[in-house]
Amino acid sequence: GAGVSQSPSNKVTEKGKDVELRCDPISGHTALYWYRQSLGQGLEFLIYFQGNSAPDKSGLPSDRFSAERTGGSVSTLTIQRTQQEDSAVYLCASSHDRRNYGYTFGSGTRLTVV
Amino acid sequence: AQTVTQSQPEMSVQEAETVTLSCTYDTSESDYYLFWYKQPPSRQMILVIRQEAYKQQNATENRFSVNFQKAAKSFSLKISDSQLGDAAMYFCAYRGSNSGGSNYKLTFGKGTLLTVNP
Repeated sequence: GAGVSQSPSNKVTEKGKDVELRCDPISGHTALYWYRQSLGQGLEFLIYFQGNSAPDKSGLPSDRFSAERTGGSVSTLTIQRTQQEDSAVYLCASSHDRRNYGYTFGSGTRLTVV
Repeated sequence: AQTVTQSQPEMSVQEAETVTLSCTYDTSESDYYLFWYKQPPSRQMILVIRQEAYKQQNATENRFSVNFQKAAKSFSLKISDSQLGDAAMYFCAYRGSNSGGSNYKLTFGKGTLLTVNP
């Protein structure tokens, strides 16, 4: 596609439920990132995928968070047993790793845990 | 670890005037990239301008320019002839070089909310 697509745009879930957030990167982009933006905060790195290499999971805040990227394209971020502190905007970005300019971001998923 | 600091949580400017947003960073690397992103209410992060650390010339994109002071680790954004559409949250970001196979994650500041008054 022309841009990075994220779904759903907004998600309200009950505390304790699992949620899945989806990211469709730009075709041909081998690098994919997930970031979390909490209210009034900057973007916090969560996880990075590069081609077929093992992902960099160093930013995942707990073992309730996981992500996968199937076929080097679509990625899913899963949050299990959601907590209220998980409420945030989750942004996905992709880039062509051979180019040294910034990523292309999606519009994010606003997650609200009630 | 790299850190990015934006000391101005909020700024305001009159339409058609000039405003400068501040950003400082901390790194031990000599080669890196710096970016300014704009985030309007639509939430999508839009790349405004980027600077390669090895370039001494300041980057310019139309009404947007930077003042890159490598020794001082400062990277400010100047918006000239401000327009109502410039109102947004602005984030400064740092990224290390590609050498050594290091990852490409961006480190962001906490942002500056820019208001443009008509």
